[in-house]
Amino acid sequence: RKEVEQDPGPFNVPEGATVAFNCTYSNSASQSFFWYRQDCRKEPKLLMSVYSSGNEDGRFTAQLNRASQYISLLIRDSKLSDSATYLCVAGGSQGNLIFGKGTKLSVKP
Amino acid sequence: NAGVMQNPRHLVRRRGQEARLRCSPMKGHSHVYWYRQLPEEGLKFMVYLQKENIIDESGMPKERFSAEFPKEGPSILRIQQVVRGDSAAYFCASSPQGLGNQPQHFGDGTRLSIL
Repeated sequence: RKEVEQDPGPFNVPEGATVAFNCTYSNSASQSFFWYRQDCRKEPKLLMSVYSSGNEDGRFTAQLNRASQYISLLIRDSKLSDSATYLCVAGGSQGNLIFGKGTKLSVKP
Repeated sequence: NAGVMQNPRHLVRRRGQEARLRCSPMKGHSHVYWYRQLPEEGLKFMVYLQKENIIDESGMPKERFSAEFPKEGPSILRIQQVVRGDSAAYFCASSPQGLGNQPQHFGDGTRLSIL
C-alpha cells in the first residue's frame, strides 16, 4: 500500500466550480500534513498546512480526519490560475515529507 | 530575501560521468532535504542533512549516490557513474528546524538528463 494515495485525475472543471480532492495516508504516526501545488514540473509550493480542526485560506479549505487517515482539499470558485497538480503530503517520522503522486486539476474557461 | 537556491537548473551528462547538484538553503535554515521526481511520478525523499551530519538517508540508493552538507558552503548531492535511469528532477528543500510538523520550502530544482 502506498504511503500517501491520491486520485491522479485529471479533474476538468469550468471556472467558478467547486472541486474537492481527497487523499489517504497509511502511517497512523504521521503528525503533520500539507497540501502543495506543483505547476508544470516546477518546484512544489506550499498551499496550506492541514490541521485536525480544519483550516481555511480564502477559497481553499483543508480537512484532516485522523480516525480515517484521510485528508481533503476543497477549492471554491475555481480560477484558471488554479490549474496545477495538487500534492497531498504527510510528515515522516524523521522530519522528511512523504508526497502523494498528485491530483491534476484543469480549470477551463 | 533569497529562497532555496539550486544550481545548475539543467545538467546534461553522459553515461558513466559524475553529476554534482548544489543547494543553498534559505537564510536561517540549517536543515536540508533532497527529493527526486522521476517523469510522471511523485516526489520521493532521498536524504535529510543538517550541517555536517546526515540525519536520514533511507531514501538514497545504496550505490553511486552520496550527499553532504559541509560547515561552509552549499549541500551537494553527488551521483557517480550516472545511468539513464538517473534522469529526473532533483529538488532540494530546507526548513529552520528538523521537525516533521514544519513545511519545507523548495528550490527550483535541477533537471538532470543522461545521454
